[in-house]
Amino acid sequence: DIQMTQSPSTLSASIGDRVIITCRADESITSWLAWYQQKPGKAPRLLIYETSTLESGVPSRFSGSGSGAEFTLAISSLQPDDFATYYCQQYYTYPFTFGQGTKLEIK
Amino acid sequence: QVQLQESGPGLVKPSETLSLTCSVSGGSITFASFYWGWVRQAPAKGLEWIGSIHYTGYTYHNPSLKSRLTMSVDASKEQFSLRLRSVTAADTAIYYCVRLPNWGALGRFDLWGQGTPVTVSS
Repeated sequence: DIQMTQSPSTLSASIGDRVIITCRADESITSWLAWYQQKPGKAPRLLIYETSTLESGVPSRFSGSGSGAEFTLAISSLQPDDFATYYCQQYYTYPFTFGQGTKLEIK
Repeated sequence: QVQLQESGPGLVKPSETLSLTCSVSGGSITFASFYWGWVRQAPAKGLEWIGSIHYTGYTYHNPSLKSRLTMSVDASKEQFSLRLRSVTAADTAIYYCVRLPNWGALGRFDLWGQGTPVTVSS
């Protein structure tokens, strides 16, 4: 299985900050990476797929980049609604696997 | 718009079979461009893909569960189902049904049910 590792595990930031979350795969997954946002008690929500394509309805302050085995999710100006846990997921090969999550907290 | 809703027992005894159903509303399960599947999340843990199925019967399973897992589609009811045999406490989780668009590459989950908690306990 491809292991996905996110960093940091927890991130404290303030409204208006720009934050970056990193996701590393233990082998190349080309560009087949997705990002999800999950709030407590809710199902995850797809934000970005194929590394950098924004899902319909997702604010443009979210962006994704990377290739091969290293990827980032950036949020350009944090809004109150953005404080949540974020997961990356590879779908280059079976089984699909997720990172362990990054919890974004209010500083 | 398309919605997914899980149903099934919230409590299953060890060694028994967990059965869950996902109902698709607002769209057709036979739309060829989508697969359907399951993802679970153990308490305070991350996400684990269980498996995916197309209405034509093509299935993909997580090898860690494959020997215990059966998935099926009932197109007449716009439902798909999961059966997981010989459950243990390690199968305690919130189970989500999901939709997977089959363009680009299969594997992103663009629509999720609200999730149903399942506890394995005697």
